[in-house]
Amino acid sequence: DAKTTQPPSMDCAEGRAANLPCNHSTISGNEYVYWYRQIHSQGPQYIIHGLKNNETNEMASLIITEDRKSSTLILPHATLRDTAVYYCIVRVASGVLSTNAGKSTFGDGTTLTVKP
Amino acid sequence: NAGVTQTPKFRVLKTGQSMTLLCAQDMNHEYMYWYRQDPGMGLRLIHYSVGEGTTAKGEVPDGYNVSRLKKQNFLLGLESAAPSQTSVYFCASSYEFQETQYFGPGTRLLVL
Repeated sequence: DAKTTQPPSMDCAEGRAANLPCNHSTISGNEYVYWYRQIHSQGPQYIIHGLKNNETNEMASLIITEDRKSSTLILPHATLRDTAVYYCIVRVASGVLSTNAGKSTFGDGTTLTVKP
Repeated sequence: NAGVTQTPKFRVLKTGQSMTLLCAQDMNHEYMYWYRQDPGMGLRLIHYSVGEGTTAKGEVPDGYNVSRLKKQNFLLGLESAAPSQTSVYFCASSYEFQETQYFGPGTRLLVL
């Protein structure tokens, strides 16, 4: 699975859009980009995922560049409750057992702090 | 629909003691995972299971054993706890392998 690079921390003003970048320059054609977040002391929570098209759900939007080497998670109107660590992960497509199946799937992520 | 549950929520062990952490899911997921998370770090995969009766090693399996006797349960065992195993343990499950994973609330383990 491709390695991802995220900034260690970011701040965002409450009510503003939070844009969290992720680089995955070695991504393969059959690998999806997943985003999770972990609010303090809780289990990680799935946010969104995509292959090459932009995706949107009730929580966020995912913008993937045309070359798929980077992506951005957008929280359109950040609230204080969005303060969390956000993880960008690249995974192979469904049903395919990667040779890296036993490797860690979560790096250090980006700590997003939403400020009043 | 409880999702993924973990028991216990918190435990203190002495070095050398053994214990079993229980993970249960009611979503009929085939795949289950155990992770550990040390302070300020991301999650590291300990063991995983691709179905009832099967288990496989993850990135940091040493000192742990697992069993998946029933589809809905995934047990993580520590045979002889060590202070280095002090961590927060998260269980997860998914419908497809390593796709959208649903996590439990975690078990905080302190080994003295």
